[in-house]
Amino acid sequence: DIQMTQSPSSLSASVGDRVTITCRASQTISSYLNWYQKKPGKAPNLLIYGASNLQSGVPSRFSGSGSGTDFTLTISSLQPEDFATYYCQQSYSTPRTFGQGTKVEIK
Amino acid sequence: EVQLVESGGGVVRPGGSLRLSCAASGFTFDNYAMSWVRQAPGKGLEWVSGINWNGGSTGYADSVKGRFTISRDNAKNSLYLQMNSLRTEDTALYHCAREDCSGGSCYSGSGYWGQGTQVTVSS
Repeated sequence: DIQMTQSPSSLSASVGDRVTITCRASQTISSYLNWYQKKPGKAPNLLIYGASNLQSGVPSRFSGSGSGTDFTLTISSLQPEDFATYYCQQSYSTPRTFGQGTKVEIK
Repeated sequence: EVQLVESGGGVVRPGGSLRLSCAASGFTFDNYAMSWVRQAPGKGLEWVSGINWNGGSTGYADSVKGRFTISRDNAKNSLYLQMNSLRTEDTALYHCAREDCSGGSCYSGSGYWGQGTQVTVSS
């Protein structure tokens, strides 16, 4: 099975900050990497698919990059509604493993 | 409008069984692979199981392999998860999700999710 490792596991940031979350796969997954935002009581929300493609309706302050084993999610200017937990997930093979999550908290 | 509505959750004793259902509407169900994802209290997202567009290919997390069975009925636009030999660690909110592909390696992720059905395994 492919293991997905995110870092950091949590971070504190202020509104307007640039935030970067990384995700590493235990083997190459090409660009089959997705990023989700999860808020309590809500279903996960797809932000980025195919490593760098912005899902329809997602604000352009979110961006993704990477291929192979190393990936990054960037929020260019953190907004109040962005405080949430973010997960990467590989969709290269089954089981479609998630990273352990990165909780973005208010500083 | 795409809708995914889960049902079938509840409270069950360890060793018991439950069958979850996910009713899909607003899209051509048999064009898409589907999956079940869960979140235990205070834990992260865990992919549980997936099935391709025609049910010919399925996959499971190691934690549920041999105990859970995923299936679909394209005529009824429905996805199922049969859960046997339930354990306390299976307690979670279970979501169904549409994979934006028909199966195999999926470039597009899961853009639609249901709100989930709660499964509690407790004696």
